[in-house]
Amino acid sequence: QVLLQESGPGLVKPSETLSLTCTVSGYSINSGYFWGWIRQPPGKGLEWIGSILNSGTTYYNPSLRSRITVSMDTSQNQFFLKLSSVTAADTAVYFCSREVGGTTVDYWGQGTLVTVSS
Amino acid sequence: DIQMTQSPSSLSASVGDRVTIACRASQSIGNNLNWYQQKPGKAPNLLIHVATRLQSGVPPRFSGSGSGTDFTLTISTLQPEDFATYHCQQSFGTPPTFGQGTKVEIK
Repeated sequence: QVLLQESGPGLVKPSETLSLTCTVSGYSINSGYFWGWIRQPPGKGLEWIGSILNSGTTYYNPSLRSRITVSMDTSQNQFFLKLSSVTAADTAVYFCSREVGGTTVDYWGQGTLVTVSS
Repeated sequence: DIQMTQSPSSLSASVGDRVTIACRASQSIGNNLNWYQQKPGKAPNLLIHVATRLQSGVPPRFSGSGSGTDFTLTISTLQPEDFATYHCQQSFGTPPTFGQGTKVEIK
């Protein structure tokens, strides 16, 4: 069974960088699929952030492109999200995901709430 | 970006009811439409992909239809465990985008 688990700080100060790690078990991220991030502000809908292929090729939401970096460490079976210059609008539950074709999510992490506040 | 609009935003229904949720895309997306179910405090769960295909393990009371711009998720006989929020997502354009969600509540 494929399991994904997010980890990282739950509180980030405005203007700083949000950093999250997704640890995958039950499947080697080097074997294929897209590995991505999706967020959900409290009480709101879902927003796709970006994803990475096992080749290292990345795909980003144009609305966030200037602030995001998605990377991976296949030796640790982990991938990462960095979101810079955060504001209160970036407060959300962040989910890591396995994506078929870079779009359809067949496995999700449980999600982690990140609050942006001083 | 392709805008996805769901209706209604919420509905109240009873166990045993037939429930229908609509999703409209701002442009034609073929059959590139997914449906997810999300329960409070949990991650979404894929129910249907490419508009009509049931994900493995999903009960057959869930079905999807539509193509182009108009899509429907139907729950034929609502069960207690089906009270949740349902999200549509287009997988045609980049970025993939979601509807705002439809909350199915107990009447």
